[in-house]
Amino acid sequence: AQSVTQPDIHITVSEGASLELRCNYSYGATPYLFWYVQSPGQGLQLLLKYFSGDTLVQGIKGFEAEFKRSQSSFNLRKPSVHWSDAAEYFCAVATAGNNRKLIWGLGTSLAVNP
Amino acid sequence: NAGVTQTPKFQVLKTGQSMTLQCAQDMNHEYMSWYRQDPGMGLRLIHYSVGAGITDQGEVPNGYNVSRSTTEDFPLRLLSAAPSQTSVYFCASSYGGQGIYEQYFGPGTRLTVT
Repeated sequence: AQSVTQPDIHITVSEGASLELRCNYSYGATPYLFWYVQSPGQGLQLLLKYFSGDTLVQGIKGFEAEFKRSQSSFNLRKPSVHWSDAAEYFCAVATAGNNRKLIWGLGTSLAVNP
Repeated sequence: NAGVTQTPKFQVLKTGQSMTLQCAQDMNHEYMSWYRQDPGMGLRLIHYSVGAGITDQGEVPNGYNVSRSTTEDFPLRLLSAAPSQTSVYFCASSYGGQGIYEQYFGPGTRLTVT
C-alpha cells in the first residue's frame, strides 16, 4: 500500500538559514509527488509537484524539491528561510488508476527563529 | 474568484445534534472532497465527489453524509455529532484528470462537540 513518511515532526531554523524537509514514500510505480504548505489558521496550498521529467522541481515562494527514486525520497529545500515560512508542511503521494486520491504524510511543523 | 469557501468558521455542538458544514467553489472544479485534520493524524479523507451527482467514501466516512447536487456545492452533514468528531474540517476542490491532485483548500471549519 502507498504511504508517506515525514520523519521530522518539528524543525526549528534561524531566519536566513537553509532548510531541508524530508519525505519518503512507498509506492510500486512511478509516483506523483506533492508538497503542500499550511500557514497557521489556514487551509493548505500547493507548493510544488512532480509528475515526470526533471527530478528537481521548482515551486512557489522559492521552494524546490528533488525526486530521488533510489532513495524513495522527495525532500523539500529552500536556500534561505524567511520568518513567513513558519508553517506546517505536508508531503503527499498520489494514487493512480480509477480511484485517484492523495496519500498524506503527517506533516512537519517549521518554526523560524528571528 | 472567491476560491473555496467554507461556513461556518467555528461551531460548537452538543452530542447528538446534527449540522451541515457548507462548502462552495467558483472555479468550476469537477472534484471536491472533505478532509478532517486531527493532531498527530494528518489529513484524512471523509468523502469525495468526482462530479455533480457522484459521491464516494474516503477513509473515515462513518457518521458523515454528503451530496453533490451542483458543481459548486458540496455540503457535509453530521448526522448525530459525537465528541470523536471534534476536529478541523477542510473542503478542497480540483480539476479532473491529472489535475485532481492539485487541490485548492478552503480555510477550514473548527468543530467542537461537547
